[in-house]
Amino acid sequence: DTAVSQTPKYLVTQMGNDKSIKCEQNLGHDTMYWYKQDSKKFLKIMFSYNNKELIINETVPNRFSPKSPDKAHLNLHINSLELGDSAVYFCASSPTPGQGVFGANVLTFGAGSRLTVL
Amino acid sequence: SQQGEEDPQALSIQEGENATMNCSYKTSINNLQWYRQNSGRGLVHLILIRSNEREKHSGRLRVTLDTSKKSSSLLITASRAADTASYFCATVGGATNKLIFGTGTLLAVQP
Repeated sequence: DTAVSQTPKYLVTQMGNDKSIKCEQNLGHDTMYWYKQDSKKFLKIMFSYNNKELIINETVPNRFSPKSPDKAHLNLHINSLELGDSAVYFCASSPTPGQGVFGANVLTFGAGSRLTVL
Repeated sequence: SQQGEEDPQALSIQEGENATMNCSYKTSINNLQWYRQNSGRGLVHLILIRSNEREKHSGRLRVTLDTSKKSSSLLITASRAADTASYFCATVGGATNKLIFGTGTLLAVQP
């Protein structure tokens, strides 16, 4: 059983289109994330939800809108796709970040969704 | 901007040799983690070291942390071809304990 599953694995689309990527985790984790990995392998956090509540929202264009219908699902919808949106998008989950100074926060990642905008 | 910078960007060694990767970061942290990414796959957590720890071991992995220098190193001993992957450090800090990833080191282990 895949712990964090994303669909689709590959997505090729034209500029200006709207697309969605879905993510589901069966680990019972409270927190889910979207990360973007560009062509140079830089990984940048985009969003994080804890129990369906948005807790991290980095400087991401408004064209990106996350939605968490329940704590096991976090979807990413992208409007008006641009060439620069081409990347691999990773979903991840973790237990609620640990409290205190050492705040353990270990992520389990999905396999990624490669988005290519033409 | 990226929190961590990793060095070297790429490393090629022979099977059986040791591989050392370094990570430097900029702000105070709660803990530091290392992840591995095989080509075309997601990241997998390897090891976590807390800010009050200086060294940690897990199998063939040894991680050190020097908070005064804001740096960490990952040592893989007796490397195998299957260790070929990208390795990322990630720092955890701030109110939300979010993970900020470094730039990664691409390790190639030649059989």
